[in-house]
Formats: sequence, C-alpha cells, structure tokens
Amino acid sequence: DAGVIQSPRHEVTEMGQEVTLRCKPISGHNSLFWYRQTMMRGLELLIYFNNNVPIDDSGMPEDRFSAKMPNASFSTLKIQPSEPRDSAVYFCASSQDINYGYTFGSGTRLTVV
Amino acid sequence: DAKTTQPPSMDCAEGRAANLPCNHSTISGNEYVYWYRQIHSQGPQYIIHGLKNNETNEMASLIITEDRKSSTLILPHATLRDTAVYYCIVSPYGGATNKLIFGTGTLLAVQP
Repeated sequence: DAGVIQSPRHEVTEMGQEVTLRCKPISGHNSLFWYRQTMMRGLELLIYFNNNVPIDDSGMPEDRFSAKMPNASFSTLKIQPSEPRDSAVYFCASSQDINYGYTFGSGTRLTVV
Repeated sequence: DAKTTQPPSMDCAEGRAANLPCNHSTISGNEYVYWYRQIHSQGPQYIIHGLKNNETNEMASLIITEDRKSSTLILPHATLRDTAVYYCIVSPYGGATNKLIFGTGTLLAVQP
C-alpha cells in the first residue's frame, strides 16, 4: 500500500500561471478531501468528493480554484490564475465511506512568486 | 465555529505518559471524537476515535468522560518522535456528509 500519492512535492510558479496539483487516493477508498495549510489559517478543508462526486466545495476560496475527480483513482486541484496568497501546503486525503480515519498524502508545497 | 478547545502547547518528559485534554462541551449525540497528529512537514496522521466508550489501539488510548463533554488522549510512553501538533475533532460518523474540520491543536513537545 503506497498510501495517498500527491504530485508534485514542490511547485514554484509565477503569479498568473496555471497550477495543477494531483492526487492518487488509496485503492478502495471512496472519499477524497483537499486541504490547504498556512501558518495564518491552519488546515482548511477546500472540497471533498464521495464516489467521485463533489459533495461540499464551500471551502474553495474563489473561482480561481477548481477540483475534479474523473475516476476513483485520480483527482486534480487547479488554480488559474495563481496569486502569491495561494502559497501554501496542499494536502490530499482519502478514506473509506465509514471513515475509519483519513489517510493524508505528503502534501504539495506551492510557492507563487 | 470551534467545536473543541485544546491547550496551545504542552511539554512531556520522554518515557512518561502524555495526557492531552480536549473540551467539546457542545458535542452532539451522533458526533464522534477524533484525534489526529501532525509531525512537522508531514501530513496529519489518524490516531484514534471514539463515541462514548474508552478506546485503545497500538498508538494511544482515548478516555471520554461520561457526559462526553471532554476527552483525554493518552500516549503511554512518549518518545521524541511523538513531538507533534495534536488535533481533537468532533464530527458525525460516516456517510457522504462527513468531513473533518481541524482547529489549532496542541503542540506537544517531548523533552529528553
């Protein structure tokens, strides 16, 4: 079991560029969550999916952010255009429906300059 | 809205038990208590969860008061590797609407 796999681990981009973060959940898990972590705001839930369907995206900060889950083994979080205030660590997590516990990935550290 | 209250930081001597308190006085009947921890630069890690009975696993024990308004996470023999931020979260169990909202947690520093 390789756990939740996120890519890239680090991303540095210029303001205005499009950024795509990727996540592969654990096989058999049917819920997927995107979180963002900053020093100022802590861990924030952005969006989560159940059986590939977005359930709650109320945490997505603005229209520049979008997330998709085209199948059970892949999800993306896209920021277009990126801004310096988007700099953060973005975590993906997955769980089984009964929520025994979330398993988090190692995160993507995004820096927008 | 914060559903739990935790001390911002605690110290513990290596080899001793670490007892981390959490107050959740507004917990609902269908809400579980979850504990996660986050070691520096890593993703959060699930520790344990419970409804009203005390729970124990290989990592820790969870003691929930009878009125369910507070709980304590116990690490029986803390090591330096247990230094982390510990989050106490209350949330309904299961289902597509379940989600975990993290607060600020307790920074546990295990001292040699």
